[in-house]
Amino acid sequence: NAGVTQTPKFRILKIGQSMTLQCTQDMNHNYMYWYRQDPGMGLKLIYYSVGAGITDKGEVPNGYNVSRSTTEDFPLRLELAAPSQTSVYFCASSSTGYGQPQHFGDGTRLSIL
Amino acid sequence: DQQVKQNSPSLSVQEGRISILNCDYTNSMFDYFLWYKKYPAEGPTFLISISSIKDKNEDGRFTVFLNKSAKHLSLHIVPSQPGDSAVYFCAAIGGTSYGKLTFGQGTILTVHP
Repeated sequence: NAGVTQTPKFRILKIGQSMTLQCTQDMNHNYMYWYRQDPGMGLKLIYYSVGAGITDKGEVPNGYNVSRSTTEDFPLRLELAAPSQTSVYFCASSSTGYGQPQHFGDGTRLSIL
Repeated sequence: DQQVKQNSPSLSVQEGRISILNCDYTNSMFDYFLWYKKYPAEGPTFLISISSIKDKNEDGRFTVFLNKSAKHLSLHIVPSQPGDSAVYFCAAIGGTSYGKLTFGQGTILTVHP
């Protein structure tokens, strides 16, 4: 039972490089989310999607982009990596936007040097 | 503006005793609250939730209490076990947030054998 799968688990980027963090879920959930967690802090929402083709900004969207072409996949794109984007990134999904818990992947640890 | 706060960064408890983790919120629009548990190198996993129409919800060793007038909730773990040692996050949803979770900073619980 895979649930939410994130790849890669670890990545080191140089300043200015770009990359895509992959997220896929096999639970047929409509709602998907990207969070980042900085040391000693709670998770903060970057972007979310309520279904294929529909995305919206969360609390900290600057420097990121997303797309949702299928129900299963919700990739997060960093265009010009900056040291402030060093963080652990979590993808989550839920069946509804309210009243059901979100299921999280194991995260991608990203360092920008 | 930290809308969900967990003011205790850490808590240490003896095995078999009660663990009480606290959470305060400021946004009166929040009406659904969740607790997540997180082990190192893993994503958060859902533990228990409570709707604002209730003041208590119980699931085995875990009980969540909600005091709406004080904008305070707490998680009780009885009896505590060494396997409960993890980071615990309080999270809240409300209003037209499309399921966007607002997280507290987390509390590190250590249960000593």
